[in-house]
Amino acid sequence: QKEVEQNSGPLSVPEGAIASLNCTYSDRGSQSFFWYRQYSGKSPELIMSIYSNGDKEDGRFTAQLNKASQYVSLLIRDSQPSDSATYLCGLKGAGGYGGSQGNLIFGKGTKLSVKP
Amino acid sequence: DGGITQSPKYLFRKEGQNVTLSCEQNLNHDAMYWYRQDPGQGLRLIYYSQIVNDFQKGDIAEGYSVSREKKESFPLTVTSAQKNPTAFYLCASSSGGPNSPLHFGNGTRLTVT
Repeated sequence: QKEVEQNSGPLSVPEGAIASLNCTYSDRGSQSFFWYRQYSGKSPELIMSIYSNGDKEDGRFTAQLNKASQYVSLLIRDSQPSDSATYLCGLKGAGGYGGSQGNLIFGKGTKLSVKP
Repeated sequence: DGGITQSPKYLFRKEGQNVTLSCEQNLNHDAMYWYRQDPGQGLRLIYYSQIVNDFQKGDIAEGYSVSREKKESFPLTVTSAQKNPTAFYLCASSSGGPNSPLHFGNGTRLTVT
């Protein structure tokens, strides 16, 4: 059974600070990793995807992947009150098409609060 | 603009009634999914379909049924056998393959009393 673990939070950071969100997973066969942002009462929206070890940057967001240690993280620089949301970590196994291995499973999310 | 449309946004039903949630996509995606989200919980997979006329059970399929007669459409029926149907239901699609993300609809909030 694949598991994705996230600290539920809330994680509170002051405006302008760096928010660090972490996710660990149990399946070493996991291939693709995704971060979604979900505002209260809304559906998740994709922020970042990462497939290889190392860092991937997109604007104020940086995703970090370490497959050996089985963790993936999301850094948000210059945090804004509008970043306050729940952040979901999702991952896919190597199955691709066919079978539940290829489906995306999610952690329970970390609630981030950015204080003005 | 391409996207996923779920309807209705809010749905209220009496206990014992079946209810069907609509999901339509115009992204030309092969794969479609239904997730359920409860307060403080992550997304749990109900059913998924990789291709027309084929679908598979997810982790919590009991009390639900689906059909995939067209590529664009993947309706979910919540039956009276589902013991706790009140939840936020999310439909998603993807182009398939290990690196393809999910794109979500806006969700349907179902309340059963």
